[in-house]
Amino acid sequence: KNQVEQSPQSLIILEGKNCTLQCNYTVSPFSNLRWYKQDTGRGPVSLTIMTFSENTKSNGRYTATLDADTKQSSLHITASQLSDSASYICVVSSFSGGYNKLIFGAGTRLAVHP
Amino acid sequence: EAGVAQSPRYKIIEKRQSVAFWCNPISGHATLYWYQQILGQGPKLLIQFQNNGVVDDSQLPKDRFSAERLKGVDSTLKIQPAKLEDSAVYLCASSLRTSGFPGELFFGEGSRLTVL
Repeated sequence: KNQVEQSPQSLIILEGKNCTLQCNYTVSPFSNLRWYKQDTGRGPVSLTIMTFSENTKSNGRYTATLDADTKQSSLHITASQLSDSASYICVVSSFSGGYNKLIFGAGTRLAVHP
Repeated sequence: EAGVAQSPRYKIIEKRQSVAFWCNPISGHATLYWYQQILGQGPKLLIQFQNNGVVDDSQLPKDRFSAERLKGVDSTLKIQPAKLEDSAVYLCASSLRTSGFPGELFFGEGSRLTVL
């Protein structure tokens, strides 16, 4: 069964600190992996998209890594800001039956405190 | 470039009533998705359109939910009759294509439904 699991479920950190969010998946066949940021009451916004051949990708203070062998990804946030408080959702894409199917994780809820 | 537009943003109804949500995707985007997001969970796909054809509706509760995408542009999602467990945010998203490399997925702000 195609699944995406994220950990931790929630996280509280102090402003300025770094943190790492984890994503493990059992999706086959694998097409690509995405990280989204979802502010409360808003739609998700894409942070990164990585294909099988990419093992790291950065977007400002966000750096995503992908280990396709162990089927794990992480999202590292550097020098956190209050505006980083949001849910972070890992999404794995599987190309099957002629179209891309997206499998969503439940998300990690991050709270950055001053 | 305008984003994905959804309406209404909020809707409160009583159980057994009906409700409809509207979505206007980004111009030129062939693929349109409707997701249901229950509080504290990730989005769950309800239906995926490629132009005006259905690609995947395997998780759509067809006894009460229906969706259409006329002329391959706007889409409506209808719930009739609503149940308490339908309380959720309904997200619409669009992307350029569904085959090959799917590219960026753009989400609307969502329509929050409360069923009393």
